[in-house]
Amino acid sequence: AQSVTQLDSHVSVSEGTPVLLRCNYSSSYSPSLFWYVQHPNKGLQLLLKYTSAATLVKGINGFEAEFKKSETSFHLTKPSAHMSDAAEYFCVVSVAWGGKLIFGQGTELSVKP
Amino acid sequence: DAEITQSPRHKITETGRQVTLACHQTWNHNNMFWYRQDLGHGLRLIHYSYGVHDTNKGEVSDGYSVSRSNTEDLPLTLESAASSQTSVYFCASSGKGLTGELFFGEGSRLTVL
Repeated sequence: AQSVTQLDSHVSVSEGTPVLLRCNYSSSYSPSLFWYVQHPNKGLQLLLKYTSAATLVKGINGFEAEFKKSETSFHLTKPSAHMSDAAEYFCVVSVAWGGKLIFGQGTELSVKP
Repeated sequence: DAEITQSPRHKITETGRQVTLACHQTWNHNNMFWYRQDLGHGLRLIHYSYGVHDTNKGEVSDGYSVSRSNTEDLPLTLESAASSQTSVYFCASSGKGLTGELFFGEGSRLTVL
């Protein structure tokens, strides 16, 4: 069965410092993995996706994630946080064809001035 | 521009009443999904559809039903609302194939008193 675990429910960083949001996954086959972002009172937006091509995936707004099969991880990083990055982030694994996805519990990112 | 819209955005109802949340997408997507979002649970899949007249149960389908009579709409019905169904509901859609990019509506906040 597929599952995803986000290791931190809340992360706080200062503006201009690096961001690391951690995600481990479990999948019985080669997974597709995604990060989505949700700003307050909004729907979710795709940040980036891994679908068995390059293991380092670049997304929007300077975010990137590295797929590490040996560690079953898909951590999200950004070199320098911006105030507008404050949001909730979801790590997601695909279950099967057709866009059926399993969401992690979310990590709330706070950015301090 | 293509979009996905949900209505109502906010709804307060009483226990035992029937409630229908509407979802309409203009992407012409085959796949449509309903999720609920609760604190500490991330997003959980309620029902999904891969095309007209196709519906499938997700992980938390009890007490909910959907029907798909056309490509654009997937209404979610709570037959007899319960307080445990107080939540934020998100509709999403995706095109053919496993791209993983779901397009989300902005959510419907339902309170059952």
